[in-house]
This record gives sequence, C-alpha cells and structure tokens, in this order.
Amino acid sequence: GQNIDQPTEMTATEGAIVQINCTYQTSGFNGLFWYQQHAGEAPTFLSYNVLDGLEEKGRFSSFLSRSKGYSYLLLKELQMKDSASYLCAVKGAGNMLTFGGGTRLMVKP
Amino acid sequence: GAGVSQSPRYKVAKRGQDVALRCDPISGHVSLFWYQQALGQGPEFLTYFQNEAQLDKSGLPSDRFFAERPEGSVSTLKIQRTQQEDSAVYLCASGVGGSGNTIYFGEGSWLTVV
Repeated sequence: GQNIDQPTEMTATEGAIVQINCTYQTSGFNGLFWYQQHAGEAPTFLSYNVLDGLEEKGRFSSFLSRSKGYSYLLLKELQMKDSASYLCAVKGAGNMLTFGGGTRLMVKP
Repeated sequence: GAGVSQSPRYKVAKRGQDVALRCDPISGHVSLFWYQQALGQGPEFLTYFQNEAQLDKSGLPSDRFFAERPEGSVSTLKIQRTQQEDSAVYLCASGVGGSGNTIYFGEGSWLTVV
C-alpha cells in the first residue's frame, strides 16, 4: 500500500523561506510530485522528482531522497499569494498518483 | 480545449438521486483519472482510464459509483442513489501517459447531497 505524510498546517512570514516536508512509503516508485491548490481551485503542478537531489524552479525548489522516502518543497521570498495547500503525491507501480493530506500554508504580512 | 473541463461545477442532489459528472480532458491525453476530495483533505484516487479501457477502479467506494470513457475522450462519473457521505469535490485529471509525466487537473465538480 501507499502511505504519505505531511504536516497539516504551517505558518510563515512574507519574504521568508519555508520548507514543507513529505515522507512516503510506497510499493513501487515512479516519481514524486508537488501540487499547489488554492481554496476552491484545481491543484496545479509545481514540480516532479524521480532522481535524488534538488530541482530548482524559480522561487520553488523540491528535493528527493529515495533511500529515506523523503521529499521537501522549499519556497523562497514568500508572497501573500503563496497561501495555499501544498500536496505531495507519489506515483507508484501503477500510473496513478497517491496524495498526502496536504499542508495548508498561511503567509502572514 | 486548453485545459481539463468539468461540468457541472456545482451540483446539489437530494439523497437517493442519481448524478452524472462529466470530464472533458485535454485533447490527445491518453490517461484520465477521477479523484474524490473531501474538505481539508488530499485527493483520493477513484479510477483510471487509458484511452477507453478502465485499467484501475480499485478506489471506487461502492457499487453505486460507475465511470466510463466509451470513446477514449470524454468521461462520465455516475453516482447512483447518492448518500450524504458522497458530498465532496470530484476532480478529473488527464495526462499524456507514461510513468514520468504529470497529470493536469480540472477545477472539479462540487457535489452536495442534502
């Protein structure tokens, strides 16, 4: 089966850096995805990692360690519009994504 | 169209009523997924199509839930005899297929059963 854990809520200050962690236990591994979801909207794709290491994309970076079953999403220079839920998802042996419960990030002025 | 389109966006159903939710995937996308998302939770997998073939329906919560994609494009999720616990957002996603490729979500159909 699949088990994906991430913190339920986090709070950070505008302009700061925040790291959202995700740990997983899955049968088979074909990549780890991060999605952003604003309230009432569709999840939108942020990043994809299949090999160990850091992937940087502008203000957002994502890290993967397959041996530890661990990933994090790093958000730099936080903006108010970054307040949203961040979903960690793993693609296992099949083709579908299994999601964690999401981390609700609140950015304060 | 440019993105995944779902309809209706909002549906209020009386308990016991049947509902049908439609998904128009991105043109040419082979893979199509249905997810159920309760308030404050992550999406839960329901079912997966590759073209017209339903390859995985292990997430459908009961035999009241049925999905089809007869021509390998538009898909319909049908819920028979709706119950209050069916109230959720139903998300459709599509992808080009292949193990590493991402999937793109529609805005969802918000179902409330009263």
